[in-house]
Amino acid sequence: GQQVMQIPQYQHVQEGEDFTTYCNSSTTLSNIQWYKQRPGGHPVFLIQLVKSGEVKKQKRLTFQFGEAKKNSSLHITATQTTDVGTYFCAVTGDVGNEKLTFGTGTRLTIIP
Amino acid sequence: NAGVTQTPKFRILKIGQSMTLQCTQDMNHNYMYWYRQDPGMGLKLIYYSVGAGITDKGEVPNGYNVSRSTTEDFPLRLELAAPSQTSVYFCASSYLRGVEGKITEAFFGQGTRLTVV
Repeated sequence: GQQVMQIPQYQHVQEGEDFTTYCNSSTTLSNIQWYKQRPGGHPVFLIQLVKSGEVKKQKRLTFQFGEAKKNSSLHITATQTTDVGTYFCAVTGDVGNEKLTFGTGTRLTIIP
Repeated sequence: NAGVTQTPKFRILKIGQSMTLQCTQDMNHNYMYWYRQDPGMGLKLIYYSVGAGITDKGEVPNGYNVSRSTTEDFPLRLELAAPSQTSVYFCASSYLRGVEGKITEAFFGQGTRLTVV
């Protein structure tokens, strides 16, 4: 099945520092989604990327899809305590096998 | 809209007992999923369904069964509970549309925290 590696597994940053998590696949992806899970909560959808080289922004969050559609990144500028949580990428398989598989996640903690 | 509703929120089972985790969605989504999340870990796919009457195994199906008799409901059955099944279980749904097969965002339920003792 579709597998994605996500790094790093953990990240501790001072409030105000930037944060980046990466998702890598050995195969070409049709699309990639990003989710955030707050401690004790459930995953919540952030964004979906579909096009090669696509870049999307949501306030301090910047999402990027690689040119080869094999990797993606989520970058947060000037982290705030509200950014605490685990960030997951998720990918779907080929047509006819579109189950949603999640990456291992990156847990972000903020040092005030 | 209620979205995805899971019941119960918490449950303690004794080893060998059985139970059904309920999941229902009111968004007319064709795809539904069951994931488990062990403490500090990621989401592992147990079973998924692409529509009523169709189910398929995910990464970790052993010890579980599912059915999808309607579009709305996707219950997960645990037979002979084992301590290894202690986890948080999430149900999710999404919608596949268009000839390109692009899948929309997944909506998650609040989760069921299960402890097997």
